[in-house]
Amino acid sequence: GAVVSQHPSRVICKSGTSVKIECRSLDFQATTMFWYRQFPKQSLMLMATSNEGSKATYEQGVEKDKFLINHASLTLSTLTVTSAHPEDSSFYICSARGGSGYEQYFGPGTRLTVT
Amino acid sequence: AQTVTQSQPEMSVQEAETVTLSCTYDTSESDYYLFWYKQPPSRQMILVIRQEAYKQQNATENRFSVNFQKAAKSFSLKISDSQLGDAAMYFCAYRSGRRGNEKLTFGTGTRLTIIP
Repeated sequence: GAVVSQHPSRVICKSGTSVKIECRSLDFQATTMFWYRQFPKQSLMLMATSNEGSKATYEQGVEKDKFLINHASLTLSTLTVTSAHPEDSSFYICSARGGSGYEQYFGPGTRLTVT
Repeated sequence: AQTVTQSQPEMSVQEAETVTLSCTYDTSESDYYLFWYKQPPSRQMILVIRQEAYKQQNATENRFSVNFQKAAKSFSLKISDSQLGDAAMYFCAYRSGRRGNEKLTFGTGTRLTIIP
């Protein structure tokens, strides 16, 4: 149980275009989802927290107009990188928490390359 | 703000031996949770072990155990009988016990190499 998927696993896009990454909880309802960014050989940095049906809460320094997060259902959250640039190239990881539990379950990550 | 520090960027251990990874944290809260996550080359984050701050007993999961020293704000991970599959990045993480503040704060990680 407690499986989280991400799609796509890898994506290459051209500079200036937008790309959407999906995060799904497959066997539980995720009341809260989290989006992290991980640069090579670095730790995970939280970008934003999203609760189903409400606006995401962004961490300081994260541009909310550039990284659009939607948590429209209890099993799906999406991260859209708008007008992507090469510096947005990174590994993006989502996690999900269900109900009253405190544990987060992580997706397998998405590698974004902007050319 | 809470901070998590892992002072060992890299560690290595002989297969079947024991290794301890260090983690310290800083917080003014009394209710919180601590975690160790493993990130193998696949980059999938895997929960290794968790500790509730209100529990005095150190958590244990098979070959993995922690030494939780609340007063010293230390949370080390001991891996016994190291196996080749234990090779990975290990991240220590902190989570507030306060409702509505469920985000994880990660340390910088320790890369563990297992020597055959």
